[in-house]
Amino acid sequence: EVVLTQSPGTLSLFPGERATLSCRASQSFKSTYLAWYQQKPGQAPRLLIYGGSSRATGIPDRFSGSGSGTDFTLTISRLEPEDFAVYYCHCQQYGVSPQYTFGQGTKLEI
Amino acid sequence: QVQLQEAGPGLVKPSETLSLTCAVSGASVSDINWWSWVRQPPGKGLEWIGEMHHGGTANYDPSLRSRVTISMDISKNQFSLKMTSVTAADTAVYYCARHVSVPGTRGFDYWGPGTLVTASS
Repeated sequence: EVVLTQSPGTLSLFPGERATLSCRASQSFKSTYLAWYQQKPGQAPRLLIYGGSSRATGIPDRFSGSGSGTDFTLTISRLEPEDFAVYYCHCQQYGVSPQYTFGQGTKLEI
Repeated sequence: QVQLQEAGPGLVKPSETLSLTCAVSGASVSDINWWSWVRQPPGKGLEWIGEMHHGGTANYDPSLRSRVTISMDISKNQFSLKMTSVTAADTAVYYCARHVSVPGTRGFDYWGPGTLVTASS
């Protein structure tokens, strides 16, 4: 089973700064099987990045995803006030049958 | 616009069965997409429960496989979750979600707003 470990647990930054969120996997998998989500309190997760690096519909280009193998990164180039939220990475793995795993989340706070 | 909406009891007694449905509008459950259930215990992270395709194939998280069944009603354009023998550990917000349809990629592009299910007597 793939375990996704996100770091840091909490990231404190100011609007206008650059945010770099890490997602490390316990074993390598296909990069296009990785997604990133943003979740605000009381709301459902929102897809930001799918297929490792493709922005979902309506997602600003300040959000970008990269990485391969076991190390993946979500970068927010210039933080806007609405970007402060919890971010999760997510992947699919294949074993006896397909299953999906989420990281534990990174809280991005002001 | 694709919309998903969960429905079901908000309170389930321990040892009983949790049943939820996800009504889909703006898309068809018989499209090429897979459809999943995800849950989030209060104050915690996201947990994938299982997925289903209209062709009849379903996959489940190994830790829940013995208690979970996902089914689909194409005529009603909805899919459902049943979880037996619930305990307090199953208390969570339950979300239904649609998988992206781009071949070779993964991600859940549309989510329901979620419904809180509490397992308590």
